[in-house]
Amino acid sequence: QVQLVQSGAEVKKPGASVKVSCKASGYTFTSYGISWVRQAPGQGLEWMGWISAYNGNTNYAQKLQGRVTMTTDTSTSTAYMELRSLRSDDTAVYYCARLVVVVAATPPYYYYYMDVWGKGTTVTVSS
Amino acid sequence: QTVVTQEPSFSVSPGGTVTLTCGLSSGSVSTSYYPSWYQQTPGQAPRTLIYSTNTRSSGVPDRFSGSILGNKAALTITGAQADDESDYYCVLYMGSGILVFGGGTKLTVL
Repeated sequence: QVQLVQSGAEVKKPGASVKVSCKASGYTFTSYGISWVRQAPGQGLEWMGWISAYNGNTNYAQKLQGRVTMTTDTSTSTAYMELRSLRSDDTAVYYCARLVVVVAATPPYYYYYMDVWGKGTTVTVSS
Repeated sequence: QTVVTQEPSFSVSPGGTVTLTCGLSSGSVSTSYYPSWYQQTPGQAPRTLIYSTNTRSSGVPDRFSGSILGNKAALTITGAQADDESDYYCVLYMGSGILVFGGGTKLTVL
């Protein structure tokens, strides 16, 4: 079955970086993208961006531009999300999700949705 | 910056019907935003319910349905059950590869 297995919890100091992994199984990795979503304690879900596992193209949320990098390793069907210059408000559960890209007949000609989710990785930023 | 709006909370009686909505701070939601809906219970990962306005994800019961109502996307739960008590999030596709979550609706079944 389709599964996304995420790496374990992390504790980081302010200013450090964190790299979370998401290993996919049960489907052809390069036929989909991977989206990253985070949730701060007691807050809602926040879309961070996505990466195409087919060609490595990325699209990041504007507020994270310059601090986030998403990559994939197709040899191991693993996606990575690195967040730099960590602040206390980056404390959150980070989820990866399989991103489905659909061709549409009318503008915008493509659309995206997330269909399978990892269980989440807790990242705590604290001095 | 456009904000995706949802009711902060809603309640429904067991067996009842409830409609949650997803709007825009400026403008109307249409099918061109390809709204999707996600359910999340506390401490769990989200679960995909609906995509492309009204297509149910695999394994989702037909008690859940999506639509456009007026100028908003809508998620309707018919015959609400106790385990439908969750947070519900909509996502809109803003074009250029950008997705935006709504703030979520906390649904209580009582």
